Amino acid sequence: SQTIHQWPATLVQPVGSPLSLECTVEGTSNPNLYWYRQAAGRGLQLLFYSVGIGQISSEVPQNLSASRPQDRQFILSSKKLLLSDSGFYLCAWSRGGTNTGELFFGEGSRLTVL
Amino acid sequence: DQQVKQNSPSLSVQEGRISILNCDYTNSMFDYFLWYKKYPAEGPTFLISISSIKDKNEDGRFTVFLNKSAKHLSLHIVPSQPGDSAVYFCAASDPGNTPLVFGKGTRLSVIA
Repeated sequence: SQTIHQWPATLVQPVGSPLSLECTVEGTSNPNLYWYRQAAGRGLQLLFYSVGIGQISSEVPQNLSASRPQDRQFILSSKKLLLSDSGFYLCAWSRGGTNTGELFFGEGSRLTVL
Repeated sequence: DQQVKQNSPSLSVQEGRISILNCDYTNSMFDYFLWYKKYPAEGPTFLISISSIKDKNEDGRFTVFLNKSAKHLSLHIVPSQPGDSAVYFCAASDPGNTPLVFGKGTRLSVIA
């Protein structure tokens, strides 16, 4: 069976510090991978998605970046965090090359920037 | 421009009664629709879906209705239970391999 894990679960960081959130998927090959952010009143905002290694699409301009160094690994980063980066970050995967659209989400990472 | 809209941010329903959550969309290319349920501090989990070739899909207490001409879908929960209290997200996809588009969610509170 397929599993998805992301870490850390919670993170408190000062403004201007770097960020690295990691996500890995097991039990499937060549998945589509996604980073979402849930902020109050804004629902689930798609930040990045990837259909393959090294292929990243950005949906929202921001000071965040994403990388996919391996097929089943997706990393969300920032060089300098802003207060507005606080939120609940969700990694997700879907079967590659399909349009069924079903996403499977990780447990989420709560980021607080002080 | 919001392509998927959930116009009710919250809904309160008594235990045992029906919960109806609504969702509207603007993109006529959407052909597959999903509902996700999310508890606080957890990732959303898939609940039920419907293809545009159908107008109804049922799974236990959960039924999703699709009205393509009105670009409207709804999720019915009967009977509602306290454990159904969560945020429900409507999502839609088009035939291309593009990411799901989510609504902003509706917070359902089922009162015992």
